[in-house]
Amino acid sequence: ILNVEQSPQSLHVQEGDSTNFTCSFPSSNFYALHWYRWETAKSPEALFVMTLNGDEKKKGRISATLNTKEGYSYLYIKGSQPEDSATYLCAFTPLGGSQGNLIFGKGTKLSVKP
Amino acid sequence: GAGVSQSPSNKVTEKGKDVELRCDPISGHTALYWYRQSLGQGLEFLIYFQGNSAPDKSGLPSDRFSAERTGGSVSTLTIQRTQQEDSAVYLCASSLSGDRTWYRGYTFGSGTRLTVV
Repeated sequence: ILNVEQSPQSLHVQEGDSTNFTCSFPSSNFYALHWYRWETAKSPEALFVMTLNGDEKKKGRISATLNTKEGYSYLYIKGSQPEDSATYLCAFTPLGGSQGNLIFGKGTKLSVKP
Repeated sequence: GAGVSQSPSNKVTEKGKDVELRCDPISGHTALYWYRQSLGQGLEFLIYFQGNSAPDKSGLPSDRFSAERTGGSVSTLTIQRTQQEDSAVYLCASSLSGDRTWYRGYTFGSGTRLTVV
């Protein structure tokens, strides 16, 4: 059974703090790793997709790294702002997997207090 | 349309009733997916449509669930004889497909929150 684990489940930080969370996925048969941001009552928004070991992607204050050999990805947020409050979802696509099957973790719910 | 549109945004129904959830994907996207997120769980794959191919129904949790996609565009997810465990946020997504860029991810709708009482 392919499993994607995210930690922590939830996180409360103060405005201005930097934070990071983890996504663990099967290291064998890797094809792609996705990060999404999901604000309440809105659509999940694609942040990054990474396919190569050592990939690093950045979008403003948010960045992500990928280690396919050990099966983990980190998402970093520098100088958190209240508008960063959301659930951050990680999804794994296995090699040879159905195009219709991103395997999602349960997400990390981030709350940023002003 | 400009984005993936889902309706209704919220639905409260009585146990045992049937419900229909609608998804209108981005124009030109040939692939369409349904997921759901139950309380405390991750996004669970339900069904996937790709063009005129037979859909991948491997994620449907029971035969009370069915989905169709008419004319390669709008999709309807139907849940018959709803149960309380069907309460969840049902998300639809679409993507370009037919080439390797499909892995770039999906565009999601904002979901339908279904509550079965």
